Amino acid sequence: DADVTQTPRNRITKTGKRIMLECSQTKGHDRMYWYRQDPGLGLRLIYYSFDVKDINKGEISDGYSVSRQAQAKFSLSLESAIPNQTALYFCATSDGVTGPDTEAFFGQGTRLTVV
Amino acid sequence: DQQVKQNSPSLSVQEGRISILNCDYTNSMFDYFLWYKKYPAEGPTFLISISSIKDKNEDGRFTVFLNKSAKHLSLHIVPSQPGDSAVYFCAASMGGYQKVTFGTGTKLQVIP
Repeated sequence: DADVTQTPRNRITKTGKRIMLECSQTKGHDRMYWYRQDPGLGLRLIYYSFDVKDINKGEISDGYSVSRQAQAKFSLSLESAIPNQTALYFCATSDGVTGPDTEAFFGQGTRLTVV
Repeated sequence: DQQVKQNSPSLSVQEGRISILNCDYTNSMFDYFLWYKKYPAEGPTFLISISSIKDKNEDGRFTVFLNKSAKHLSLHIVPSQPGDSAVYFCAASMGGYQKVTFGTGTKLQVIP
């Protein structure tokens, strides 16, 4: 089983619909992140959470919200999906205990299409 | 404002030769740099990293060089293998926050 699991893997939704992307991890890490990847733009940070009570906006948080339900679960919601939110979304985790800048572990991604 | 830039979207290299992937950054507060590799339909995976107190870090076929004065880092792969064909992302962070900023990626193709 993957250490970082994202569901669903693929989703097509209509403009205006609310959609939730879920992420769960078995790494035992406190830190979790949501990124989106767009062609030519690389990976951009949407939200991040350093522990269950800590939620922070990333560089492109408008139109998104998150919920950290437990240490292992971090979900991303699109309140009212729009076509330019069509992208590949990645969840990631990292261990902020062994060092400040250790590697992140990524899920396999969710391909979201808004029509 | 792209703080981490990978100006070459793609690179083709013959098997056995050296691959050099470049990355430039603008924020002098970055003090930790990472390279990730991404295959299609998979998430990025960590490859190698370097702290700003070093100018070189080596791990097997992979070496990362950091030139702080030029705000430039590079990843060298020697020798290149077909399995190295992937998209490579450069990333940078400011210590303690781990809010990592990624570059746009370079697609490496290693030709057998």
